[in-house]
Amino acid sequence: GQQLNQSPQSMFIQEGEDVSMNCTSSSIFNTWLWYKQDPGEGPVLLIALYKAGELTSNGRLTAQFGITRKDSFLNISASIPSDVGIYFCAGQNTNAGKSTFGDGTTLTVKP
Amino acid sequence: DTGVSQDPRHKITKRGQNVTFRCDPISEHNRLYWYRQTLGQGPEFLTYFQNEAQLEKSRLLSDRFSAERPKGSFSTLEIQRTEQGDSAMYLCASSLAILDRALEAFFGQGTRLTVV
Repeated sequence: GQQLNQSPQSMFIQEGEDVSMNCTSSSIFNTWLWYKQDPGEGPVLLIALYKAGELTSNGRLTAQFGITRKDSFLNISASIPSDVGIYFCAGQNTNAGKSTFGDGTTLTVKP
Repeated sequence: DTGVSQDPRHKITKRGQNVTFRCDPISEHNRLYWYRQTLGQGPEFLTYFQNEAQLEKSRLLSDRFSAERPKGSFSTLEIQRTEQGDSAMYLCASSLAILDRALEAFFGQGTRLTVV
């Protein structure tokens, strides 16, 4: 079946640093989504990407939909302690809207 | 609060018991999804509804699992004869489908199931 590979698996950074994480797939997706999840909570949608090559920002977050449709990246600029959490990418390739998720990138921000 | 709501947040049950979870989606959303998430993994798709119709079920959804959305609003997920391997976070999400294409999904806070 489809698999999404997220990297890195974990990151330890200093407050104020920029962060970059990515997601690759063996299959094509027509929608890419990025979510953040805090312990014991559900994922919260950060950015949705609908077109190959699309670059979208949400505050300090920027994400891009790869032109091959098989990858996406998420950047966080000037990290702050509340950015701590697990970041998941998800791909959709049918009109059903069900998502295939990666296994997440765990971000730790040191003050 | 107009987000996706799940109840209960936590459930501890003995092996062999039946459990039922409830999900109330965002009111204008016609699609509703159930996912399961285990520690260290991303959510895995279980099933989804378009209004009251259950349109797809994953192979992860064994015969002991059943989901309903009787009036196209809230949904229930029942697990019969629970096993320790059923311990996980059960997540519900909803989205709006326009012209048969689903937009992004929004998740509830999940129900954490522990089978002892």
